[in-house]
Amino acid sequence: GENVEQHPSTLSVQEGDSAVIKCTYSDSASNYFPWYKQELGKGPQLIIDIRSNVGEKKDQRIAVTLNKTAKHFSLHITETQPEDSAVYFCAASLSYGKLTFGQGTILTVHP
Amino acid sequence: DVKVTQSSRYLVKRTGEKVFLECVQDMDHENMFWYRQDPGLGLRLIYFSYDVKMKEKGDIPEGYSVSREKKERFSLILESASTNQTSMYLCAGASLGNTIYFGEGSWLTVV
Repeated sequence: GENVEQHPSTLSVQEGDSAVIKCTYSDSASNYFPWYKQELGKGPQLIIDIRSNVGEKKDQRIAVTLNKTAKHFSLHITETQPEDSAVYFCAASLSYGKLTFGQGTILTVHP
Repeated sequence: DVKVTQSSRYLVKRTGEKVFLECVQDMDHENMFWYRQDPGLGLRLIYFSYDVKMKEKGDIPEGYSVSREKKERFSLILESASTNQTSMYLCAGASLGNTIYFGEGSWLTVV
């Protein structure tokens, strides 16, 4: 089955800096790659996703890039703010809905 | 707004008890999922369902069963709870090809 590795496990940045989280996946047939943000005590919320026919997608301060050849994808957050502090999860899907998740990254943005 | 509701947020159960975790979605989603979340392990798929009365095992089904008698309701059952099932349980719903939405989670402690 699919295996997703996520790095780093923790990331600490100053407000205004950029943050990058990277994931690799094992199955070249995976075609859908979402990113979720989870705040304390809450369920994960989708923040951005990308499909295998697209190399990059951007939504305001958040962007995701996908390299199908290398089987990795990354989340980029620019101009970080304290409210960006949360746990971020990447995921990969072979078929719609059945996601395999990375281990998560705890992002801390210091004011 | 989309809504996946987990009726019990916090539960404490004794070893050997039968435990029911209930999940209801109001988005008319075909697909529903139960994940388990543990520190350092990310989210792991327990069971999923593509339609009423249909179920398929995920990556860690041992010790669990599910029930989907109605489209909007997907229940996770621990036949005989054990301490290693202490965890956060997340229910999710998704329509084919669309975003997966998570509930707020159910924290289960087995003593």
